[in-house]
Amino acid sequence: DARVTQTPRDKVTEMGQEVTMRCQPILGHNTVFWYRQTMMQGLELLAYFRNRAPLDDSGMPKDRFSAEMPDATLATLKIQPSEPRDSAVYFCASGRGQGRDGYTFGSGTRLTVV
Amino acid sequence: GDSVTQMEGPVTLSEEAFLTINCTYTATGYPSLFWYVQYPGEGLQLLLKATKADDKGSNKGFEATYRKETTSFHLEKGSVQVSDSAVYFCALSDSGGGADGLTFGKGTHLIIQP
Repeated sequence: DARVTQTPRDKVTEMGQEVTMRCQPILGHNTVFWYRQTMMQGLELLAYFRNRAPLDDSGMPKDRFSAEMPDATLATLKIQPSEPRDSAVYFCASGRGQGRDGYTFGSGTRLTVV
Repeated sequence: GDSVTQMEGPVTLSEEAFLTINCTYTATGYPSLFWYVQYPGEGLQLLLKATKADDKGSNKGFEATYRKETTSFHLEKGSVQVSDSAVYFCALSDSGGGADGLTFGKGTHLIIQP
């Protein structure tokens, strides 16, 4: 089965450090999402791209978060500087078009900021 | 805006019991409806979907029927197994409402005891 690949699987970093998370969407999928999951807030949409163009990043704290898609096979989510409240599991998901058939999720990056 | 409401957990059942997890939604357009499952330490997996009224999605013994008149998409299984223990998310995709991505419920933690 085709998979969405996320790296790293786990990341522990100190407050103030830069963190970069990577996602390889499924080949042929033109829509890519970044979600964050915490116990308190559940699943939150951070940003998404269609055909590599950013369509919405209103869910992201823009002073420290940035999302890019340098090519069709790579999406990145960067946090600089990281803070303890950023500790969460970050998921990437990909799909075709506007999602009437759903999206495929990666296994996530578990981020711990100490 | 769009929203999904699902029963709070945890839901604890004995093996071979009948399962129902309730899900209702509000949407601006005509959404597609989904159930996702998340096993411990893993990402979300699409369990089943329905794209129009009266459609029944099914997979691995689970079923859900798209009820437009009651705006519901309840998940059912006739005989649960210990391996079904996971968190279940109801979600919708409402591109007709002008927003891409999935709107999730808060998730229902299901625990099956032997």
